[in-house]
Amino acid sequence: AQKVTQAQTEISVVEKEDVTLDCVYETRDTTYYLFWYKQPPSGELVFLIRRNSFDEQNEISGRYSWNFQKSTSSFNFTITASQVVDSAVYFCALSEAYSGGGADGLTFGKGTHLIIQP
Amino acid sequence: SQTIHQWPATLVQPVGSPLSLECTVEGTSNPNLYWYRQAAGRGLQLLFYSVGIGQISSEVPQNLSASRPQDRQFILSSKKLLLSDSGFYLCAWKPPFPLSEQFFGPGTRLTVL
Repeated sequence: AQKVTQAQTEISVVEKEDVTLDCVYETRDTTYYLFWYKQPPSGELVFLIRRNSFDEQNEISGRYSWNFQKSTSSFNFTITASQVVDSAVYFCALSEAYSGGGADGLTFGKGTHLIIQP
Repeated sequence: SQTIHQWPATLVQPVGSPLSLECTVEGTSNPNLYWYRQAAGRGLQLLFYSVGIGQISSEVPQNLSASRPQDRQFILSSKKLLLSDSGFYLCAWKPPFPLSEQFFGPGTRLTVL
């Protein structure tokens, strides 16, 4: 069975601070995908990034960066120089690689509520 | 470009009443479709997924059901709502293989009283 753990329920930082959101996952699959989604107060989930299990290269996109470490089953998300607009709930998610049978729903962590104070 | 719609946006229903939530996708064909529920203080739980018209798979046994009468239409239903059905219902779509990310609709907030 798959499991995603986001141990940080809520994080509050002051604007311009760097913040890292932790994500630890469990899966028996050898090939899988990891995701991060952002849920602003409006409720809609916004896709941020996908990472394939066979690609451990870290990725940077503007102020966002992701650190994937297969050895520790972690996929952490760092926001550099945080801004008030970054305030949201962030979800880490996992899915098996597409098997052709459609059983590729996402397994979500419980989310981390990030509060950026001005 | 692709868009996904859900309606209604909010719904307040009494216990025991029926439910019908609708999701439609535009700008793509043969998408995988998904229903998730987000209960208060909890993460998102996959309820149903569909890989084609009339093909529905359930992940969690419950008093809800899903149908896919058309390629880009996904409906979540219940004959009799329970208090525990309250939550935020999100529909999502995924392009055909090999892409893997899912894109979510705006959601329906359901309150059962």
